[in-house]
Amino acid sequence: DTEVTQTPKHLVMGMTNKKSLKCEQHMGHRAMYWYKQKAKKPPELMFVYSYEKLSINESVPSRFSPECPNSSLLNLHLHALQPEDSALYLCASSQDEGPVEAFFGQGTRLTVV
Amino acid sequence: GDSVTQMEGPVTLSEEAFLTINCTYTATGYPSLFWYVQYPGEGLQLLLKATKADDKGSNKGFEATYRKETTSFHLEKGSVQVSDSAVYFCASYSSASKIIFGSGTRLSIRP
Repeated sequence: DTEVTQTPKHLVMGMTNKKSLKCEQHMGHRAMYWYKQKAKKPPELMFVYSYEKLSINESVPSRFSPECPNSSLLNLHLHALQPEDSALYLCASSQDEGPVEAFFGQGTRLTVV
Repeated sequence: GDSVTQMEGPVTLSEEAFLTINCTYTATGYPSLFWYVQYPGEGLQLLLKATKADDKGSNKGFEATYRKETTSFHLEKGSVQVSDSAVYFCASYSSASKIIFGSGTRLSIRP
């Protein structure tokens, strides 16, 4: 199983809503990542978890709150988002932090209205 | 800081044409280098990688050679297919322990 599964695939939310994005992998990877990708742009790193601990936070606004409940799951909790937060949110995992292959999910297409 | 620069797109070619997408990097030391591909509506997939100077990564007919002298990692394919139409990202693993992506090059192949 070399898949990273993200749910939901699409999400429309209002600016006052609270929602969560979910990511799951069963490859035994110990590093997991959240990226944000705007249209026609490269992915931008948001957070890195290594061995279930937050190791990198790229100065992301607090309306985005990551959580790693166990080594297979990664969540991104969303609250009071702005329309400019609309983007494709990609989850990725790798065997470890380091110069190794990252496996990406298909992403959640988020629209904030 | 570390950065990756790749050629602007879009690139449009006819089927069976030769492909080159240029990529150069700036980095402290010698980072690992990657090419990722993103098909429409999907996440990124690793296409190939190289971890040290003069390494050649290859996969699905694509090749790229890690050139330390020119700090480059150009992607090449001898004969492209319509199914190669996608966005290609050059990337490096930076000294700050994260992947840095280039801006992406959209490739369209005409039948």
